[in-house]
Amino acid sequence: DQQVKQNSPSLSVQEGRISILNCDYTNSMFDYFLWYKKYPAEGPTFLISISSIKDKNEDGRFTVFLNKSAKHLSLHIVPSQPGDSAVYFCAASRTGTASKLTFGTGTRLQVTL
Amino acid sequence: ETGVTQSPTHLIKTRGQQVTLRCSSQSGHNTVSWYQQALGQGPQFIFQYYREEENGRGNFPPRFSGLQFPNYSSELNVNALELDDSALYLCASSFRRDSNTEAFFGQGTRLTVV
Repeated sequence: DQQVKQNSPSLSVQEGRISILNCDYTNSMFDYFLWYKKYPAEGPTFLISISSIKDKNEDGRFTVFLNKSAKHLSLHIVPSQPGDSAVYFCAASRTGTASKLTFGTGTRLQVTL
Repeated sequence: ETGVTQSPTHLIKTRGQQVTLRCSSQSGHNTVSWYQQALGQGPQFIFQYYREEENGRGNFPPRFSGLQFPNYSSELNVNALELDDSALYLCASSFRRDSNTEAFFGQGTRLTVV
């Protein structure tokens, strides 16, 4: 039972344009969501998070949007840079269960010149 | 401030053997979680340790066990290795088990079972 889904295995975007990565979840008990970036041979690196009491959180070039009614979140990267090329994982957890994360399968982002 | 470190980085074991993976948590973090990432998949939660006690477990059999030490470092032990145990094993540390804070991951241990 895949409770967190990333339906796009890969995405290719030109440098300078917007990258939009999507994530859906099925468990309505999830109330904290995170995005991680992973380079080959490295562990996942935390990017940005959002609590279910918000619908948007911004940090520099990264913005996460949460639509609770649709059980959908998205990560926007503007402008995209070649160094953003990596696998992006969406993760979810419940309050009181910090770091017991349920991950999606990841989206590989390729930013081209 | 040191980050999360794992050892070894790579390991090859034979089916039926036992393996121990190690993790040093980030300074000041008292909660450690272990994840298994199979090829092409997202990390899957194995278990979490808080103040040396298991604090939650994912859908993994009892042959996956762990320890947390007083300095908050941790071990993951896997007995009777199976070919499907081949994966990247990730350790993550966080400050508190019950707060919504991000978990910081180590670089992982790549385990190959032959």
